[in-house]
Amino acid sequence: DAGVTQSPTHLIKTRGQQVTLRCSPKSGHDTVSWYQQALGQGPQFIFQYYEEEERQRGNFPDRFSGHQYPNYSSELNVNALLLGDSALYLCASSLRQVINSPLHFGNGTRLTVT
Amino acid sequence: GENVEQHPSTLSVQEGDSAVIKCTYSDSASNYFPWYKQELGKRPQLIIDIRSNVGEKKDQRIAVTLNKTAKHFSLHITETQPEDSAVYFCAASLSMNTGFQKLVFGTGTRLLVSP
Repeated sequence: DAGVTQSPTHLIKTRGQQVTLRCSPKSGHDTVSWYQQALGQGPQFIFQYYEEEERQRGNFPDRFSGHQYPNYSSELNVNALLLGDSALYLCASSLRQVINSPLHFGNGTRLTVT
Repeated sequence: GENVEQHPSTLSVQEGDSAVIKCTYSDSASNYFPWYKQELGKRPQLIIDIRSNVGEKKDQRIAVTLNKTAKHFSLHITETQPEDSAVYFCAASLSMNTGFQKLVFGTGTRLLVSP
């Protein structure tokens, strides 16, 4: 049973560039959430997708956008990268119909902005 | 919005001792409280969770307690082993009737278990 998979594992970008991160949820899951984890901090909620629509959003600017495909996979896009966007980006999947369905995290994509 | 505070930030114990990590939350409507373990360079992994209708839950050497009145919850690890060394995160979530939830995490506790 495949867990949550993310790609790429590492990425180096320059300020002002754009980046796309990808996530495939755990088999059987239909909801994908994205979190940003800065070094030494807890993960912070970016947004959540279900049925190809953004359902909840955290306190992140519009430079952060996403998408979910019919197969439940998801992308996180960040435009106009800033140095402060350097972090580990975690994707987590869950099953909406199960109240408080535990989140299963992927290994993350480590983004470095120079 | 919800705010979660976690203490201590670092905790060093001897193998076999117990370890306790404490968290407080601000939103009394929060109803789900998971704990995650994150080893260096790895994904956060759920180790135990508790829902607001339960005061305590235990799984082998790990237990979690919840005090809804005081809005705090704690992780207890007994008979600690070196492989318990990791960063532990508490989190709180308000799950709406829509079924959607978002976790608000604490800042983490680095646990070091010395042999």
